[in-house]
Amino acid sequence: NAGVMQNPRHLVRRRGQEARLRCSPMKGHSHVYWYRQLPEEGLKFMVYLQKENIIDESGMPKERFSAEFPKEGPSILRIQQVVRGDSAAYFCASSPRRQGQETQYFGPGTRLLVL
Amino acid sequence: AQSVAQPEDQVNVAEGNPLTVKCTYSVSGNPYLFWYVQYPNRGLQFLLKYITGDNLVKGSYGFEAEFNKSQTSFHLKKPSALVSDSALYFCAVRDRNYNTDKLIFGTGTRLQVFP
Repeated sequence: NAGVMQNPRHLVRRRGQEARLRCSPMKGHSHVYWYRQLPEEGLKFMVYLQKENIIDESGMPKERFSAEFPKEGPSILRIQQVVRGDSAAYFCASSPRRQGQETQYFGPGTRLLVL
Repeated sequence: AQSVAQPEDQVNVAEGNPLTVKCTYSVSGNPYLFWYVQYPNRGLQFLLKYITGDNLVKGSYGFEAEFNKSQTSFHLKKPSALVSDSALYFCAVRDRNYNTDKLIFGTGTRLQVFP
């Protein structure tokens, strides 16, 4: 059973460009979470999605960031008009269902560098 | 508000000695508690969790953690440290009475095990 997959692993963008980060959850998992890790900091929750639904986006910046988890295909975290402060590691996690006690399993992350 | 504190930025221990990585939490209700480990340039690996039941939880790689409700703590322990245990350790909490699945992470503790 493959784990959570994220691509690309590393992404370099210039200021003003768009960044698209992809996450494929573990097989059988229908819940996806995105977290951001700034240098020398812990992980901060961004958004929680089920297929075709955003459940909790309380951690998403109000502008430039969006996320989706379509019926088919991976979850996408999209950052428009990137700025240097967006440079961070972005981790995706998945779990099988929403009961709170379920473990979230993390992918290897996408490290975004904005020049 | 939910929060997690890891009071030590770094813990140093000699190989073969017992180790403890501290974690305290604050939630409005009863907590679900998790420990994850992160190796350099990797994602988070799940170690163990407390949901309910026995206060002493055993996890992967010989790690265990003790839930102490009166002290609101969930310290990670291992009887005999290995050099390969050197990594960044994160404690996380989810409030089971709070209507979201997001995990709140501590800032992490770097464990260094010396030969």
